Amino acid sequence: IVLTQSPATLSVSPGERATLSCRATQSISRNLAWYQQIPGQPPRLLIYGASTRATGIPARFSGSGSGTEFTLTISSLKSEDFAVYYCQQFNNWPRTFGQGTKVGIK
Amino acid sequence: QVQLVESGGGLVRPGGSLRLSCAASGFTFSDFYMSWIRQAPGKGLEWVSHISNPGGTTSYADSVKGRFIISRDNANNSVFLQMNSLRPEDTGFYFCARDIGAGWYADSWGQGTLVTVSS
Repeated sequence: IVLTQSPATLSVSPGERATLSCRATQSISRNLAWYQQIPGQPPRLLIYGASTRATGIPARFSGSGSGTEFTLTISSLKSEDFAVYYCQQFNNWPRTFGQGTKVGIK
Repeated sequence: QVQLVESGGGLVRPGGSLRLSCAASGFTFSDFYMSWIRQAPGKGLEWVSHISNPGGTTSYADSVKGRFIISRDNANNSVFLQMNSLRPEDTGFYFCARDIGAGWYADSWGQGTLVTVSS
């Protein structure tokens, strides 16, 4: 299953909303996770099951979608949120990642 | 808290071998599947392999099947990745990760160890 993330790069001002998309080539139900990766650090799990926040993840991060279309929304960006975000499906083997969306400062 | 510490990376020539190790602490290691996930410099993430918590079931990405072997030692809270017949395209950071479910997604990651395959 191929996951396509859009846009590849997103420029956002602090305090603004960011909306990231992940599209699958076939239905993956709600078997999708989102990760955040800050440069020089390992990825951090944000969301699993399409919409459930992982432990310790702030409420400004939310996930939605099912089937083939998924969205990660960051409601009001903080400086620490500027990073690369990856989606990953676990409906079929092998589990696959999207190519990432880089959220940068506008 | 959960800690995963990788070691064993380095520079190796094409065709060579390396063995990566991951030492786990802060959780009941034998309760969890474990994975290796890699990232070429400046590129995205690629799942490499996972192993079930008893250790009897393993899975591999097609790109490494037949060359890499994952194993674990539950007595010593460690997971390993034996990498043989290394190729330049295997270059990257290798992350050890704790899986949720039967290798569904990773909720904790190590800092990674860098493998460079070059002549």
